[in-house]
Amino acid sequence: EAGVAQSPRYKIIEKRQSVAFWCNPISGHATLYWYQQILGQGPKLLIQFQNNGVVDDSQLPKDRFSAERLKGVDSTLKIQPAKLEDSAVYLCASSLDRIYEQYFGPGTRLTVT
Amino acid sequence: GNSVTQMEGPVTLSEEAFLTINCTYTATGYPSLFWYVQYPGEGLQLLLKATKADDKGSNKGFEATYRKETTSFHLEKGSVQVSDSAVYFCALSDRIQGAQKLVFGQGTRLTINP
Repeated sequence: EAGVAQSPRYKIIEKRQSVAFWCNPISGHATLYWYQQILGQGPKLLIQFQNNGVVDDSQLPKDRFSAERLKGVDSTLKIQPAKLEDSAVYLCASSLDRIYEQYFGPGTRLTVT
Repeated sequence: GNSVTQMEGPVTLSEEAFLTINCTYTATGYPSLFWYVQYPGEGLQLLLKATKADDKGSNKGFEATYRKETTSFHLEKGSVQVSDSAVYFCALSDRIQGAQKLVFGQGTRLTINP
């Protein structure tokens, strides 16, 4: 069974530029999560989707971050404009449904200069 | 709100040494507790879990017991190997509106020397 796929694996941008990350969850998984992991910290949930609807986006900085999950499968997370403090690893995870184990992708490491 | 505190790293041990990584939590209600492991260049993997007080989770020689009286979930292994070198995260999950919401500790980097 294929795992959670993410791309790109690494991205370097200048502040005030925009960037987008892509996630393909495990086939059949209804729930998709985006986490931000700042160096030296544990992952922090940014947004959770159930199929193509948002369940929880309470920690998403909505003035610059946006996410969508069209057709309830793939998802994209966008930052516009980026700030230095957005430098982090962005992790995508999926689960069969909301109460089940989450499976994580390898992450995208973002560096904002 | 809910939170998890892990012992600070990095932790460096010799092969075959005994490992303990401390984890304590603060939560309302009755959370499930997890240990995740992140090997270099890979995503987080679930190592073990416990869903209620006094449960013991175990996998790959690692163990952790859910202690409600001390709000702890310490990770232990009797004899570590070089391949156990990774970052370990303690986490709790509380059901909010039917959804599993994970809250992670800051992680502990473990290095095992041959």
